[in-house]
Amino acid sequence: AQTVTQSQPEMSVQEAETVTLSCTYDTSESDYYLFWYKQPPSRQMILVIRQEAYKQQNATENRFSVNFQKAAKSFSLKISDSQLGDAAMYFCAYRSGIIGGSEKLVFGKGTKLTVNP
Amino acid sequence: ETGVTQTPRHLVMGMTNKKSLKCEQHLGHNAMYWYKQSAKKPLELMFVYSLEERVENNSVPSRFSPECPNSSHLFLHLHTLQPEDSALYLCASSQGTRQETQYFGPGTRLLVL
Repeated sequence: AQTVTQSQPEMSVQEAETVTLSCTYDTSESDYYLFWYKQPPSRQMILVIRQEAYKQQNATENRFSVNFQKAAKSFSLKISDSQLGDAAMYFCAYRSGIIGGSEKLVFGKGTKLTVNP
Repeated sequence: ETGVTQTPRHLVMGMTNKKSLKCEQHLGHNAMYWYKQSAKKPLELMFVYSLEERVENNSVPSRFSPECPNSSHLFLHLHTLQPEDSALYLCASSQGTRQETQYFGPGTRLLVL
């Protein structure tokens, strides 16, 4: 079974600074997708960024980028120029890309990010 | 704005009550999901529907009964719940399954007394 581990229950960053959230995962599958979701206090889960395992290039979405290390099974999220609105719970998630594999997203426990003004 | 809505947003029920959670997606997606989010635990998938057929059921107790009458609507019928079932119930949808990104609704905060 696949597992996702987020080793940082809480992180804080100063406004305008950069922060990196860690995520590692365990799988024996070769084809899969990785996601970072954000859940603000209003609790609606929002997709931040996604990465296909077959792509070597790291995904980037504006101020959000990932460092995908497939061999190390690591998928960290970097937030540049942090803004107050970035404060939220961040969840790392895994999804199988194997035909016949599970349909579900496997989530980590989350990292609570605080942005200090 | 994700295009996935859920009602009610908050629900308090006794253990003998019967209630239903509703999810509606306005994105033209073919797959819908129910997740349970408990405090200090990872989100847990409960059910997956693809083209109105249940394709995955993650060992969920029978007191939770899903219904998917069409690709835009998903219900979760609740009966004789336990206090430990108190949680945030999230609905999600995706265009297809597997490689497609899931989009989440705002959730229903359920408290079972």
